[in-house]
Amino acid sequence: DTEVTQTPKHLVMGMTNKKSLKCEQHMGHRAMYWYKQKAKKPPELMFVYSYEKLSINESVPSRFSPECPNSSLLNLHLHALQPEDSALYLCASSLTGLNTEAFFGQGTRLTVV
Amino acid sequence: AQKVTQAQTEISVVEKEDVTLDCVYETRDTTYYLFWYKQPPSGELVFLIRRNSFDEQNEISGRYSWNFQKSTSSFNFTITASQVVDSAVYFCALSDFNAGNMLTFGGGTRLMVKP
Repeated sequence: DTEVTQTPKHLVMGMTNKKSLKCEQHMGHRAMYWYKQKAKKPPELMFVYSYEKLSINESVPSRFSPECPNSSLLNLHLHALQPEDSALYLCASSLTGLNTEAFFGQGTRLTVV
Repeated sequence: AQKVTQAQTEISVVEKEDVTLDCVYETRDTTYYLFWYKQPPSGELVFLIRRNSFDEQNEISGRYSWNFQKSTSSFNFTITASQVVDSAVYFCALSDFNAGNMLTFGGGTRLMVKP
């Protein structure tokens, strides 16, 4: 099983809403990531969790709040987003954070209205 | 600083043609890893290959082959006898110590294979 599962696949939310993106993997990976991808651009790293601890936060605005409840789950809580936050949000996991290949989910396509 | 350049933003070929996607990288580290990912229209990035800086052997996997040349800092990807299902965006990526071992992606190459 090399699957990373993300829900929902599509999300439309208003600027005052609070929503959460969910990511799950059962490969025993200890590093999990959130990436943001705008159209026709490469993915941009947002957060890295290593052994369930936040290890990297790439200067992401506080309206994005990650959470890693356990080694298999990763959430991204969204609050007071702006229309420019509309993008594909990709979750990934890797065995460790050190040069091992990352496996990506299908992403959540987020539209902020 | 680490950098990955994919000079070809879009390539269009006819089915059964061979196609090579170029990737040039920059890093100050002597130990680093190179990756290729495929992103079909469905959105997920599909891992294709990982290569470390000490292994310059070319690799072949079915219709896919990779040419790693440290002398030119290139890690090119060739698809032989392309098929419509190969249509996707392909990303080359670099991981090195200076970047905290995180992936640095190139800008991607959109490959369109026409029937």
